[in-house]
Amino acid sequence: QKEVEQNSGPLSVPEGAIASLNCTYSDRGSQSFFWYRQYSGKSPELIMSIYSNGDKEDGRFTAQLNKASQYVSLLIRDSQPSDSATYLCAVTDTGANSKLTFGKGITLSVRP
Amino acid sequence: DAGITQSPRHKVTETGTPVTLRCHQTENHRYMYWYRQDPGHGLRLIHYSYGVKDTDKGEVSDGYSVSRSKTEDFLLTLESATSSQTSVYFCAISESYNNYGYTFGSGTRLTVV
Repeated sequence: QKEVEQNSGPLSVPEGAIASLNCTYSDRGSQSFFWYRQYSGKSPELIMSIYSNGDKEDGRFTAQLNKASQYVSLLIRDSQPSDSATYLCAVTDTGANSKLTFGKGITLSVRP
Repeated sequence: DAGITQSPRHKVTETGTPVTLRCHQTENHRYMYWYRQDPGHGLRLIHYSYGVKDTDKGEVSDGYSVSRSKTEDFLLTLESATSSQTSVYFCAISESYNNYGYTFGSGTRLTVV
């Protein structure tokens, strides 16, 4: 059973701080990694994708991937109350017609 | 959720009745997926399709069946609904199986009483 683990939450940070969200995965052959944001009562929305080791930045978001450690993270700089949501880590499995396996998510609350 | 529509958005049904949820896309994507989302379990894959009439099981497929007779439509059927199938169901689509992530529909909240 391929697993995607996200550190337990909820996570609460003050406005303007850096929020750090972490995720580990069990399938060493995974090649594609995604972060989704899900507001309460809404569907997941893709916010970041990363495919190679290192950092990928998009605005206030930075995704970090370390395949050797089987670890992917999301940093949110200058956190805003509008960032308050559940963040889901997703990892593709290996093989034909690979699918996304999701972590259970971590709920982020940004305090004004 | 542009390009992908789920229906109905909400449904209450009785135990033992069959239920069909519909996912319709206008993106002409090859891959379609059905997930359920429950507190404490996250998103779990029920069934997926990699082409017309090509489907396969996910990790929680018991009690569910699917059909895809056209590229744009992917149907999920609960043969005989049980209370354990009370959940939020999400359909997702993908252009590629590996590199583009998924786009999700708005979800169907199903309650089995």
